[in-house]
Amino acid sequence: NAGVTQTPKFRVLKTGQSMTLLCAQDMNHEYMYWYRQDPGMGLRLIHYSVGEGTTAKGEVPDGYNVSRLKKQNFLLGLESAAPSQTSVYFCASSPRLASTGELFFGEGSRLTVL
Amino acid sequence: DQQVKQNSPSLSVQEGRISILNCDYTNSMFDYFLWYKKYPAEGPTFLISISSIKDKNEDGRFTVFLNKSAKHLSLHIVPSQPGDSAVYFCAASMDSNYQLIWGAGTKLIIKP
Repeated sequence: NAGVTQTPKFRVLKTGQSMTLLCAQDMNHEYMYWYRQDPGMGLRLIHYSVGEGTTAKGEVPDGYNVSRLKKQNFLLGLESAAPSQTSVYFCASSPRLASTGELFFGEGSRLTVL
Repeated sequence: DQQVKQNSPSLSVQEGRISILNCDYTNSMFDYFLWYKKYPAEGPTFLISISSIKDKNEDGRFTVFLNKSAKHLSLHIVPSQPGDSAVYFCAASMDSNYQLIWGAGTKLIIKP
Protein backbone atom coordinates (compact mmCIF):
# COMPACT_ATOMS: atom_id res chain seq x y z
CA ASN A 1 0.00 0.00 0.00
CA ALA A 2 2.70 2.48 -1.09
CA GLY A 3 0.62 5.52 -2.14
CA VAL A 4 3.09 8.33 -2.87
CA THR A 5 6.80 7.55 -2.54
CA GLN A 6 9.58 10.14 -2.61
CA THR A 7 13.28 9.46 -3.06
CA PRO A 8 15.66 10.36 -1.60
CA LYS A 9 14.40 11.17 1.90
CA PHE A 10 17.47 13.25 2.76
CA ARG A 11 20.15 14.94 0.70
CA VAL A 12 22.94 17.41 1.32
CA LEU A 13 24.23 19.40 -1.64
CA LYS A 14 26.88 22.00 -2.17
CA THR A 15 25.95 25.28 -3.84
CA GLY A 16 25.89 24.83 -7.59
CA GLN A 17 25.35 21.08 -7.60
CA SER A 18 22.37 19.54 -9.34
CA MET A 19 20.00 16.84 -8.26
CA THR A 20 16.65 15.25 -9.01
CA LEU A 21 13.90 14.29 -6.60
CA LEU A 22 11.70 11.43 -7.71
CA CYS A 23 8.03 11.06 -6.86
CA ALA A 24 6.11 7.91 -7.69
CA GLN A 25 2.42 7.23 -7.10
CA ASP A 26 0.55 3.97 -7.55
CA MET A 27 -3.01 5.33 -7.35
CA ASN A 28 -3.37 6.16 -11.04
CA HIS A 29 -3.94 9.83 -10.21
CA GLU A 30 -3.93 12.37 -13.02
CA TYR A 31 -2.72 15.32 -11.00
CA MET A 32 0.65 15.60 -9.30
CA TYR A 33 2.29 18.45 -7.40
CA TRP A 34 5.58 19.49 -5.88
CA TYR A 35 5.50 21.69 -2.75
CA ARG A 36 8.15 23.09 -0.49
CA GLN A 37 7.69 23.75 3.20
CA ASP A 38 9.78 26.28 5.07
CA PRO A 39 9.69 27.14 8.78
CA GLY A 40 6.84 29.48 9.70
CA MET A 41 5.27 29.25 6.27
CA GLY A 42 2.61 27.19 4.65
CA LEU A 43 3.28 24.80 1.82
CA ARG A 44 4.06 26.59 -1.43
CA LEU A 45 3.42 25.07 -4.82
CA ILE A 46 6.49 24.81 -7.04
CA HIS A 47 5.18 23.01 -10.13
CA TYR A 48 2.28 20.77 -10.92
CA SER A 49 1.05 18.43 -13.64
CA VAL A 50 -2.47 17.72 -14.84
CA GLY A 51 -1.54 14.57 -16.71
CA GLU A 52 1.22 12.61 -18.37
CA GLY A 53 3.41 14.82 -20.51
CA THR A 54 2.15 18.09 -18.98
CA THR A 55 3.72 20.45 -16.47
CA ALA A 56 2.92 23.94 -15.25
CA LYS A 57 4.40 26.54 -12.93
CA GLY A 58 3.10 27.09 -9.47
CA GLU A 59 3.72 29.86 -6.98
CA VAL A 60 7.53 29.50 -6.61
CA PRO A 61 8.92 27.83 -9.77
CA ASP A 62 12.23 29.67 -10.16
CA GLY A 63 15.31 27.45 -9.90
CA TYR A 64 13.35 24.23 -10.44
CA ASN A 65 12.37 22.12 -13.41
CA VAL A 66 9.99 19.19 -13.62
CA SER A 67 9.06 16.37 -15.95
CA ARG A 68 6.16 13.93 -16.13
CA LEU A 69 7.14 11.41 -18.77
CA LYS A 70 5.09 8.66 -17.15
CA LYS A 71 1.76 9.09 -15.41
CA GLN A 72 3.01 7.58 -12.18
CA ASN A 73 6.21 9.63 -11.90
CA PHE A 74 6.86 13.32 -11.34
CA LEU A 75 10.47 14.48 -11.17
CA LEU A 76 11.71 17.69 -9.61
CA GLY A 77 15.12 18.93 -10.68
CA LEU A 78 17.46 21.53 -9.29
CA GLU A 79 19.99 22.51 -11.95
CA SER A 80 22.22 24.67 -9.74
CA ALA A 81 21.32 24.40 -6.08
CA ALA A 82 21.33 27.50 -3.88
CA PRO A 83 21.16 27.79 -0.07
CA SER A 84 17.68 29.36 -0.46
CA GLN A 85 16.50 25.98 -1.74
CA THR A 86 17.18 24.36 1.61
CA SER A 87 13.74 23.09 2.49
CA VAL A 88 11.50 20.08 2.93
CA TYR A 89 9.94 19.06 -0.36
CA PHE A 90 6.62 17.27 -0.58
CA CYS A 91 5.15 15.54 -3.56
CA ALA A 92 1.41 15.00 -3.76
CA SER A 93 -1.11 13.48 -6.12
CA SER A 94 -4.86 13.73 -6.51
CA PRO A 95 -7.57 12.19 -8.66
CA ARG A 96 -9.29 15.56 -9.04
CA LEU A 97 -8.38 19.22 -8.89
CA ALA A 98 -6.53 20.11 -5.71
CA SER A 99 -9.09 22.79 -5.05
CA THR A 100 -11.97 20.37 -4.61
CA GLY A 101 -10.47 17.18 -3.38
CA GLU A 102 -7.90 15.83 -1.06
CA LEU A 103 -4.25 15.54 -1.88
CA PHE A 104 -2.22 12.46 -1.06
CA PHE A 105 1.26 13.37 0.10
CA GLY A 106 4.56 11.58 0.24
CA GLU A 107 6.66 11.59 3.41
CA GLY A 108 8.84 14.46 2.27
CA SER A 109 12.44 14.95 1.19
CA ARG A 110 14.70 17.11 3.32
CA LEU A 111 17.25 18.97 1.24
CA THR A 112 20.12 20.98 2.66
CA VAL A 113 22.22 23.18 0.40
CA LEU A 114 25.52 24.31 1.89
CA ASP B 1 0.99 38.87 1.75
CA GLN B 2 -0.44 35.82 3.47
CA GLN B 3 -3.92 35.13 2.21
CA VAL B 4 -4.46 32.35 4.73
CA LYS B 5 -3.36 32.94 8.30
CA GLN B 6 -3.15 30.68 11.28
CA ASN B 7 -2.21 33.11 14.02
CA SER B 8 -1.54 30.56 16.74
CA PRO B 9 1.73 28.69 16.16
CA SER B 10 0.86 26.28 18.95
CA LEU B 11 -2.00 25.22 21.19
CA SER B 12 -2.01 23.02 24.27
CA VAL B 13 -5.22 21.25 25.34
CA GLN B 14 -6.06 18.76 28.06
CA GLU B 15 -7.03 15.30 26.88
CA GLY B 16 -10.81 14.95 26.71
CA ARG B 17 -11.42 18.66 26.29
CA ILE B 18 -12.28 20.54 23.11
CA SER B 19 -9.53 21.75 20.78
CA ILE B 20 -10.33 24.78 18.63
CA LEU B 21 -7.97 25.69 15.83
CA ASN B 22 -8.53 28.93 13.97
CA CYS B 23 -7.84 30.13 10.46
CA ASP B 24 -8.44 33.52 8.85
CA TYR B 25 -8.38 34.39 5.18
CA THR B 26 -8.36 37.60 3.22
CA ASN B 27 -9.50 36.62 -0.27
CA SER B 28 -13.29 36.62 -0.55
CA MET B 29 -13.00 34.60 -3.77
CA PHE B 30 -11.99 31.47 -1.85
CA ASP B 31 -14.83 28.99 -2.02
CA TYR B 32 -13.40 25.77 -0.66
CA PHE B 33 -11.49 25.16 2.54
CA LEU B 34 -9.61 22.13 3.77
CA TRP B 35 -7.86 21.02 6.94
CA TYR B 36 -4.84 18.75 6.88
CA LYS B 37 -3.04 17.07 9.74
CA LYS B 38 0.69 16.40 9.80
CA TYR B 39 2.76 14.18 12.06
CA PRO B 40 6.56 14.61 12.27
CA ALA B 41 8.48 13.02 9.40
CA GLU B 42 5.26 12.35 7.49
CA GLY B 43 3.38 14.14 4.77
CA PRO B 44 0.15 16.00 5.51
CA THR B 45 -3.05 13.95 5.44
CA PHE B 46 -6.48 15.25 4.59
CA LEU B 47 -8.81 15.68 7.54
CA ILE B 48 -11.98 17.54 6.59
CA SER B 49 -13.22 20.16 4.14
CA ILE B 50 -16.02 22.63 3.69
CA SER B 51 -17.55 24.42 0.74
CA SER B 52 -18.41 28.09 0.98
CA ILE B 53 -22.09 27.28 0.51
CA LYS B 54 -22.10 25.63 3.92
CA ASP B 55 -21.31 26.96 7.36
CA LYS B 56 -20.63 23.66 9.08
CA ASN B 57 -19.32 20.23 8.22
CA GLU B 58 -18.97 17.40 10.69
CA ASP B 59 -17.05 14.14 10.55
CA GLY B 60 -16.94 12.17 13.76
CA ARG B 61 -14.98 14.12 16.37
CA PHE B 62 -14.05 16.82 13.85
CA THR B 63 -16.24 19.77 12.91
CA VAL B 64 -15.30 22.69 10.73
CA PHE B 65 -17.19 25.97 10.98
CA LEU B 66 -17.08 28.66 8.32
CA ASN B 67 -17.99 32.31 8.93
CA LYS B 68 -17.84 33.96 5.53
CA SER B 69 -18.66 37.45 6.74
CA ALA B 70 -15.72 37.31 9.13
CA LYS B 71 -13.55 35.37 6.67
CA HIS B 72 -12.84 32.91 9.44
CA LEU B 73 -12.96 29.17 9.83
CA SER B 74 -12.30 26.96 12.78
CA LEU B 75 -11.72 23.29 13.40
CA HIS B 76 -13.20 21.77 16.53
CA ILE B 77 -11.97 18.44 17.88
CA VAL B 78 -14.14 16.89 20.58
CA PRO B 79 -13.02 15.10 22.64
CA SER B 80 -9.30 15.65 22.12
CA GLN B 81 -7.14 12.52 22.20
CA PRO B 82 -3.36 12.06 22.50
CA GLY B 83 -3.20 10.91 18.87
CA ASP B 84 -4.52 14.32 17.83
CA SER B 85 -1.16 15.88 18.72
CA ALA B 86 0.09 17.08 15.35
CA VAL B 87 0.45 20.17 13.19
CA TYR B 88 -2.82 21.28 11.59
CA PHE B 89 -2.85 23.22 8.35
CA CYS B 90 -5.79 25.01 6.84
CA ALA B 91 -5.87 25.58 3.10
CA ALA B 92 -8.14 27.48 0.76
CA SER B 93 -8.86 27.49 -2.95
CA MET B 94 -10.93 29.08 -5.66
CA ASP B 95 -13.17 27.09 -7.94
CA SER B 96 -11.39 25.18 -10.70
CA ASN B 97 -8.02 26.26 -9.42
CA TYR B 98 -5.10 23.88 -9.16
CA GLN B 99 -3.51 25.72 -6.32
CA LEU B 100 -4.26 25.48 -2.64
CA ILE B 101 -3.17 28.42 -0.49
CA TRP B 102 -1.89 27.14 2.83
CA GLY B 103 -1.66 28.59 6.30
CA ALA B 104 1.57 28.22 8.28
CA GLY B 105 0.09 25.60 10.60
CA THR B 106 -0.78 25.26 14.28
CA LYS B 107 0.95 22.70 16.45
CA LEU B 108 -1.61 21.03 18.70
CA ILE B 109 -0.36 19.35 21.86
CA ILE B 110 -2.78 17.17 23.79
CA LYS B 111 -1.76 16.83 27.43
CA PRO B 112 -2.64 13.59 29.26
